[in-house]
Amino acid sequence: AQKITQTQPGMFVQEKEAVTLDCTYDTSDPSYGLFWYKQPSSGEMIFLIYQGSYDQQNATEGRYSLNFQKARKSANLVISASQLGDSAMYFCAMREPPGAGSYQLTFGKGTKLSVIP
Amino acid sequence: NAGVTQTPKFQVLKTGQSMTLQCAQDMNHNSMYWYRQDPGMGLRLIYYSASEGTTDKGEVPNGYNVSRLNKREFSLRLESAAPSQTSVYFCAARQGKDTEAFFGQGTRLTVV
Repeated sequence: AQKITQTQPGMFVQEKEAVTLDCTYDTSDPSYGLFWYKQPSSGEMIFLIYQGSYDQQNATEGRYSLNFQKARKSANLVISASQLGDSAMYFCAMREPPGAGSYQLTFGKGTKLSVIP
Repeated sequence: NAGVTQTPKFQVLKTGQSMTLQCAQDMNHNSMYWYRQDPGMGLRLIYYSASEGTTDKGEVPNGYNVSRLNKREFSLRLESAAPSQTSVYFCAARQGKDTEAFFGQGTRLTVV
């Protein structure tokens, strides 16, 4: 069963507008973590933001914020004031429950964001 | 500060050939990972190593082997390459469960 679902294969946003990228997850473990990564066309994976399941407040990092709705099992990424450089693939990932002393990261299939001038 | 370094960056193999993808990190992180990325599939975990001396299978381990040579290095070996292994391979390192993974630049592998 898919543990991380990103339902939007592609999104378009006007420059300077805000955009929300969806991510839903499935886990029965009460302790988990959610990550967002950006992959520009050059291919590198860039960490954006992290949200722990026990964090009281939604995570924010500059123009990035996480709309974390625990009951709905969703962790949507909000990018404010979009810039042309935000055009990229965006991946949501979840930390797996502890086991074997390590914590795997399971990724969604990604959303391709295109910022229109 | 190099972070995670992968070699080579590009490789073309013939079906049946073998090769080893190298990964080294200079961050002193305990856990290391190998992922493959295919169009429309996101990143899928091949193998991971929780710490030096341990390795475990991920989601798609068939056709691959790994070695955690020491804390710094984690290699991925294809013993007999197949066209289905054409992909972009990423190595990553991570310190703890609530910390981000740092990725290498990726290896683009084509098997013909």
